[in-house]
Amino acid sequence: EPEVTQTPSHQVTQMGQEVILRCVPISNHLYFYWYRQILGQKVEFLVSFYNNEISEKSEIFDDQFSVERPDGSNFTLKIRSTKLEDSAMYFCASSGTGGGYTFGSGTRLTVV
Amino acid sequence: KNEVEQSPQNLTAQEGEFITINCSYSVGISALHWLQQHPGGGIVSLFMLSSGKKKHGRLIATINIQEKHSSLHITASHPRDSAVYICAVAKASYDKVIFGPGTSLSVIP
Repeated sequence: EPEVTQTPSHQVTQMGQEVILRCVPISNHLYFYWYRQILGQKVEFLVSFYNNEISEKSEIFDDQFSVERPDGSNFTLKIRSTKLEDSAMYFCASSGTGGGYTFGSGTRLTVV
Repeated sequence: KNEVEQSPQNLTAQEGEFITINCSYSVGISALHWLQQHPGGGIVSLFMLSSGKKKHGRLIATINIQEKHSSLHITASHPRDSAVYICAVAKASYDKVIFGPGTSLSVIP
């Protein structure tokens, strides 16, 4: 069964550093999403992406965040200057025909 | 008010028991998802529903659009079913998914 692949599975970074989280969505999907889950809390929407542009973003997704689909297969989330409160599990998802959703296994980001 | 609510928040069951997890939502939706998350782990999609009922193995999901309510049932529960079960809704096709708080299930041998 097709999968959404996320790398790395765990990343530790110093506060203030830039991080890039990578996702490879399912190949024939056209809609891409990033979500995050702070430890002990529910999953929150960050951003959706379609046709090479952001279609919706939450208030969490401020100027420190950006997304890109650099090469037609990868979908990346960049955090420019990480803060302690950015520590969370970040999930990528993609959606295709019929609206079916597939989530990745997540990247656990720890900011120290 | 949260758009998606689940009950119970936590559930402990004996192996073999029939389990029901409930979800209610307050918005119009195009689809409802039931998802499973193991501790520290990724999210696995169990069902996507827009009406009626779906069954996969020992899992059954139902939805009542008029009442804005869905249930996830697990028959003959097993310790490997221990996980967090999450209800999530999409207001429109290809829209973002709005997550509920999850129900933490522990099945004891």
